[in-house]
Amino acid sequence: QVQLQASGPGLVKPGETLSLNCTVSGGSINDYYWGWIRQPPGKGLEWIGYIYYSGSTTYNPSLQSRLTISVDTSRQSFSLKLSSVTAADTAIYYCARDRTTIMGVDVWGLGTTVTVSS
Amino acid sequence: QSVLTQPPSASGTPGQRVTISCSGGTSNIGQNYVFWYQQLPGAAPKLLIYRIYQRPSGVPDRFSGSKSGTSASLAISGLRSEDEADYYCSSWDDRLSAWVFGGGTKLTVL
Repeated sequence: QVQLQASGPGLVKPGETLSLNCTVSGGSINDYYWGWIRQPPGKGLEWIGYIYYSGSTTYNPSLQSRLTISVDTSRQSFSLKLSSVTAADTAIYYCARDRTTIMGVDVWGLGTTVTVSS
Repeated sequence: QSVLTQPPSASGTPGQRVTISCSGGTSNIGQNYVFWYQQLPGAAPKLLIYRIYQRPSGVPDRFSGSKSGTSASLAISGLRSEDEADYYCSSWDDRLSAWVFGGGTKLTVL
């Protein structure tokens, strides 16, 4: 059973870069898309973007200019970098396995809370 | 402002049937599949329905999905207290090249 564990700083200063890593266990990272979705406090879900195991990416247009998602198949992990953060980037960040329109987002990590504050 | 529109709340008593609507447009629901996610309090979302009406293994058949034009619905029959959760619809948007979500519907079991 595939499990995902996100890790990274829980507090980031305004203007800095938010960096998160997600480790995949219980299954191979190969042959799948892996993505990030976030949820601001008390609000709904926002798709951030995803990456294929081969490295090709698709990003939310509203975040694209600040966003980098990368993958390291040797470490069974993928990562998120979001630059120039503001308080609006405060959210629970979920890493997930994205089966695209075949089966949607079928595996979710527990989520990690990131607060943007000085 | 979410691309897909859901009612903010819904409610029902145990045993009842409730439906949650999701309205979109031609670039998303109108020509793509619809997915539903259930988020229990304090938990990560969980895939509930995929490709409009398909249920992943382990999801009870009390949950069903449908689509008509640019709208979709999630129906829950035989409502149970453990169904109290937030429900989100989602679809791929061809114009944005992105997954879009509804704002979520908080279901209360009275």
